[in-house]
Amino acid sequence: DAGVIQSPRHEVTEMGQEVTLRCKPISGHNSLFWYRQTMMRGLELLIYFNNNVPIDDSGMPEDRFSAKMPNASFSTLKIQPSEPRDSAVYFCASRTGTTDRDTQYFGPGTRLTVL
Amino acid sequence: GENVEQHPSTLSVQEGDSAVIKCTYSDSASNYFPWYKQELGKRPQLIIDIRSNVGEKKDQRIAVTLNKTAKHFSLHITETQPEDSAVYFCAASGAAGNKLTFGGGTRVLVKP
Repeated sequence: DAGVIQSPRHEVTEMGQEVTLRCKPISGHNSLFWYRQTMMRGLELLIYFNNNVPIDDSGMPEDRFSAKMPNASFSTLKIQPSEPRDSAVYFCASRTGTTDRDTQYFGPGTRLTVL
Repeated sequence: GENVEQHPSTLSVQEGDSAVIKCTYSDSASNYFPWYKQELGKRPQLIIDIRSNVGEKKDQRIAVTLNKTAKHFSLHITETQPEDSAVYFCAASGAAGNKLTFGGGTRVLVKP
């Protein structure tokens, strides 16, 4: 199994540009999570999906952030327009079931730098 | 919602000594408590977890204890080795059992 796949691994962009991060969960997993990690705020849950349906987006910082999961094997996190304070490592994670009976597996992350 | 506090934020130990990291949580309905290890530049990886129906769990040099009455749980690493150097995160699953809330992390440095 290839594990959770994220792309790109690194992204450098200028303030005001649109950024799209991509995630492919582990095949057969039913839940998908987007996290943001910074030194100041640690590991924050942004949004999670169960069976492709967004369940909790209370962690999404503001309207500039949006996430979609059009099918069981693909999700995107979009930032438009991007700002320097969005610079962080963004992790996607997936889980077999829809409750915490099962382990969350993290992808390698996307390091985003907004200049 | 759930709030998880983790202490200490940094921990330096001599190789061979033990390391202990403590976490407290706020939601008494939480029933799942995993620990993740994150090496520099890598993804968090699960190292051990415990559920509320047990008080202690051990896996080789790693053990976790849970005190539901006091709402705290701890990670114990014995006979530390340089490869144990990493950031460790505790987490708790809220009442709905659907998502994890992470502690702030503990940076562990094992000095040879």
